[in-house]
Formats: sequence, structure tokens, C-alpha cells
Amino acid sequence: NAGVTQTPKFQVLKTGQSMTLQCAQDMNHEYMSWYRQDPGMGLRLIHYSVGAGITDQGEVPNGYNVSRSTTEDFPLRLLSAAPSQTSVYFCASTLTEGVSEAFFGQGTRLTVV
Amino acid sequence: GENVEQHPSTLSVQEGDSAVIKCTYSDSASNYFPWYKQELGKRPQLIIDIRSNVGEKKDQRIAVTLNKTAKHFSLHITETQPEDSAVYFCAACTQGGSEKLVFGKGTKLTVNP
Repeated sequence: NAGVTQTPKFQVLKTGQSMTLQCAQDMNHEYMSWYRQDPGMGLRLIHYSVGAGITDQGEVPNGYNVSRSTTEDFPLRLLSAAPSQTSVYFCASTLTEGVSEAFFGQGTRLTVV
Repeated sequence: GENVEQHPSTLSVQEGDSAVIKCTYSDSASNYFPWYKQELGKRPQLIIDIRSNVGEKKDQRIAVTLNKTAKHFSLHITETQPEDSAVYFCAACTQGGSEKLVFGKGTKLTVNP
């Protein structure tokens, strides 16, 4: 199993551009989440999904959209990139049953200039 | 919503000493408390977790304690080694599961040889 795979690993965007960060998992996990990590801020939840067709907002959802058309994929879309969205983005997945470990992808380092 | 405070933000110890990192949470409904280790440039990885029906859990040199009444939990690392140097994050989970983790801001642990 590859686990949780994120692409790209690095990206530079200009202010106002849009892009999609990809996340895929092959563990048949129902739950998936997106976090952003900024220096001194820990990880903050952007959006999450408890199954295909179901998404919800986390702590910092503004400027981001998500969709969940399949169990495996959970892309994160930046609608109009801003310098404040410069961050490291992590996707995570977890089993449905009870409360269990969240597995993280390797991260995407995004710089908005 | 849930708020997790983590202390200290940096911790430096000599090899072989013990290290303790403390976290407090605000939501008494939280029922799952994982600890993640993140090495520089890598993804967060679970090192130990505890559920609200347990007061203490050990795994070799690592232990976690939970005080539900005081709403705090701690990570204890004994016989520290240089490879323990990393950033450690505590997290809490309220309703639902690990798709909605709330993280502390992290502790940078340095183990000096």
C-alpha cells in the first residue's frame, strides 16, 4: 500500500492563480482531511470528509474548496491564491470505525508570490 | 470549539535525560488524544495515543498520561536519544473521529549528545 499520496510536493503560484492539490489514499479509509501547517501554529483543519459526497468545513476554510467524488480521492482547490495561503498542506485519512490513527501524506509546500 | 494548549514550545535535554511535554484541552467531550512526531521536512507520524477511558499508556520509552478532571495530558520520553530530536504535537478529538483533530502548536525537542 502507498498510504496517503499528495501531489505536487512543491508549488509556486502567483497571486490570483488557482490550483488543485491532489490527495489519494489506498487504505479504503472513509474519513479524509486537509490541514495547513504554518510556523508556530501547529496544524489547522481546513476541510474534511466522512465519505464520498460528504464534506464539511474545518477551522480555516476560507479560500479553499473540496469535493469527494470517490472514497480514494480528496482534492483541495485554491480558488484565487493569496500570499496568506503560503503554507505546507497535509492531507490525512483515517478509518471509519471508532477513533483511530490519522495517516498523513508527505505534504505539499505552497508558496504564493 | 476545542482548544489545545501545548507547553513548552521548545525543550532541550541531555541525552539520557527524560523529557515531558504537557497539553491542556478545553472540551470535556474530547475522547481521543494522539501524539505526533514530525521530523524536519517530513510528515507527522503517530507515536502514541490514549483514549478517555484510560489514564496511562506506555510503549517502550514513551508514555502518555491523561487527567480528565483537569483536562490535561502529557507525553513522557525516558532515556532520550539524539534521534528523538523533532517537533512533537499533541492533539484532541471531540465528536466524530480523527478526521477533526485539533492540534497544539508543537514542541521542538532537542536532545544534545
